[in-house]
Amino acid sequence: DTEVTQTPKHLVMGMTNKKSLKCEQHMGHRAMYWYKQKAKKPPELMFVYSYEKLSINESVPSRFSPECPNSSLLNLHLHALQPEDSALYLCASSPLAGYQPQHFGDGTRLSIL
Amino acid sequence: ILNVEQSPQSLHVQEGDSTNFTCSFPSSNFYALHWYRWETAKSPEALFVMTLNGDEKKKGRISATLNTKEGYSYLYIKGSQPEDSATYLCALQTTGNQFYFGTGTSLTVIP
Repeated sequence: DTEVTQTPKHLVMGMTNKKSLKCEQHMGHRAMYWYKQKAKKPPELMFVYSYEKLSINESVPSRFSPECPNSSLLNLHLHALQPEDSALYLCASSPLAGYQPQHFGDGTRLSIL
Repeated sequence: ILNVEQSPQSLHVQEGDSTNFTCSFPSSNFYALHWYRWETAKSPEALFVMTLNGDEKKKGRISATLNTKEGYSYLYIKGSQPEDSATYLCALQTTGNQFYFGTGTSLTVIP
């Protein structure tokens, strides 16, 4: 079982809906990440939070809005998404300092109708 | 955006064969090179974190080497088993704590 929990596992939404993806870890990691992964492509980094502050935003459209309410929780709020946003959204966490691997969740499979 | 390339894209080997694949990356802003194993319907699992030029790491039948000067890393699997079937991803970690993944090598081990 993964130590990073993502919910929901699957989400189907219309282009006018508002929904949120949730990611939770209790390993004491202070860095958390959102990735987008489309079929046959590598995971693409979207956002990085360090000590609950947004440290990297890789030019992601504003229809994706991240939020880190505390050190264990990372949300991704979705609004007015486009069909091309359909993808697997992966969350990861890592200790902030040093050469540490990321721990990934199982992902949320998002489909936009 | 930094370009991390993996080859081959996919690989089919017979059980018991040894195999290897490559990850190429730009050397600028290098901090670490990560290898992950990603099975279908599961989350990526960390295999190695490599930091120093000439590093060699081993975990059971899997090992990896790193050359930061020329920008490549090799992953080796000795005596492949069906349970080794997965996609193997490498990721470059930069000094700015950004991660750039390769497209992965999909390995199928035929019993």
